[in-house]
Amino acid sequence: SQQGEEDPQALSIQEGENATMNCSYKTSINNLQWYRQNSGRGLVHLILIRSNEREKHSGRLRVTLDTSKKSSSLLITASRAADTASYFCATAYSGAGSYQLTFGKGTKLSVIP
Amino acid sequence: GAGVSQTPSNKVTEKGKYVELRCDPISGHTALYWYRQSLGQGPEFLIYFQGTGAADDSGLPNDRFFAVRPEGSVSTLKIQRTERGDSAVYLCASSLGGVQETQYFGPGTRLLVL
Repeated sequence: SQQGEEDPQALSIQEGENATMNCSYKTSINNLQWYRQNSGRGLVHLILIRSNEREKHSGRLRVTLDTSKKSSSLLITASRAADTASYFCATAYSGAGSYQLTFGKGTKLSVIP
Repeated sequence: GAGVSQTPSNKVTEKGKYVELRCDPISGHTALYWYRQSLGQGPEFLIYFQGTGAADDSGLPNDRFFAVRPEGSVSTLKIQRTERGDSAVYLCASSLGGVQETQYFGPGTRLLVL
């Protein structure tokens, strides 16, 4: 079953603008990870934020995590056409008995040149 | 280094047939995961291996699905008596093990059951 929801489901922006995607989840977590997927195939790992971290940066990516609200956001700054993809958040929780990732339904980002 | 590889890339089969999907993890990764992704959805967990043993198979939908990892490296997902509802992209991921480790995904196998 899906852990939570990404918001919005779809986002269309102009190249150079910033894109913000949100993720909500339901249970306790050890970490939250963001992945990118092009054309419905393999997922590319973007960033992992642990439950005791509040913010993390990687290049043009900024991720925040608010465990009290059970939510995370992914900000892509100065977007490029190549950023067009689906973005998924996924949570990991060792208390569930394994280290499986539980994914949301994703946000489909379109960056218009 | 080489990433996770999966074969075949695409598989078309007829309802009722048996299929095998193969995953080659990153060398040295002890943990291996199978996920299934339907159109418009996020991936859903199927099974997790730590070494040769299935540590968690709670995501397998029914007993038609089975997976093995006999030598702790390559894994095969086996589906018996395929149904049209099994059509999906099957994704494999591997990691060094542990909840804080990144899972690296392969390109997936797109299965179509006619």
